[in-house]
Amino acid sequence: DQQVKQNSPSLSVQEGRISILNCDYTNSMFDYFLWYKKYPAEGPTFLISISSIKDKNEDGRFTVFLNKSAKHLSLHIVPSQPGDSAVYFCAASAGGTSYGKLTFGQGTILTVHP
Amino acid sequence: EPEVTQTPSHQVTQMGQEVILRCVPISNHLYFYWYRQILGQKVEFLVSFYNNEISEKSEIFDDQFSVERPDGSNFTLKIRSTKLEDSAMYFCAVGQGSFHTFGSGTRLTVV
Repeated sequence: DQQVKQNSPSLSVQEGRISILNCDYTNSMFDYFLWYKKYPAEGPTFLISISSIKDKNEDGRFTVFLNKSAKHLSLHIVPSQPGDSAVYFCAASAGGTSYGKLTFGQGTILTVHP
Repeated sequence: EPEVTQTPSHQVTQMGQEVILRCVPISNHLYFYWYRQILGQKVEFLVSFYNNEISEKSEIFDDQFSVERPDGSNFTLKIRSTKLEDSAMYFCAVGQGSFHTFGSGTRLTVV
């Protein structure tokens, strides 16, 4: 089941530069997308989300872009900080009977170097 | 204080034994979920629970699994007869719609 895919297992970025994490999906029923951040030995922590009726959502240093025609979303972190180093998961949800159920990507390990 | 507390943080069990993983949400929630993450793999949905009954479950959630909310506060996941492949991190989540708050997880090791 590869409905949500994060093709980059890892990303290394210099502090202060932009981090761009990518995510692709195949299920056209997905109407809500989320990014979660995860540290070792902790549960995923919500970061930012976007509804399918929008193409951009911004929250401080974090911006999520959605390209519905390409079934692609991305998370931009500007400027990147060492504390951003974590695993980032893209997740998607469909409405209807699957209300609330999240389908996750494999995750991308982000390392921000000082 | 975390919004969702899971106990134990780590459970080691013999294959074939029953385990119960517990989750205690701090505030009132209507939707409860269990997810798991096998080492090196993605987080996978197991089951959602609403209004004291299962609203959806995945193929993983077979007859060996059950969930209940015995006293209105705890939310438990029971695995009746554990298998080696049940070894994973199990995450409880509470939510409103797609927005989930996750607990810190229980690492289950089946030996």
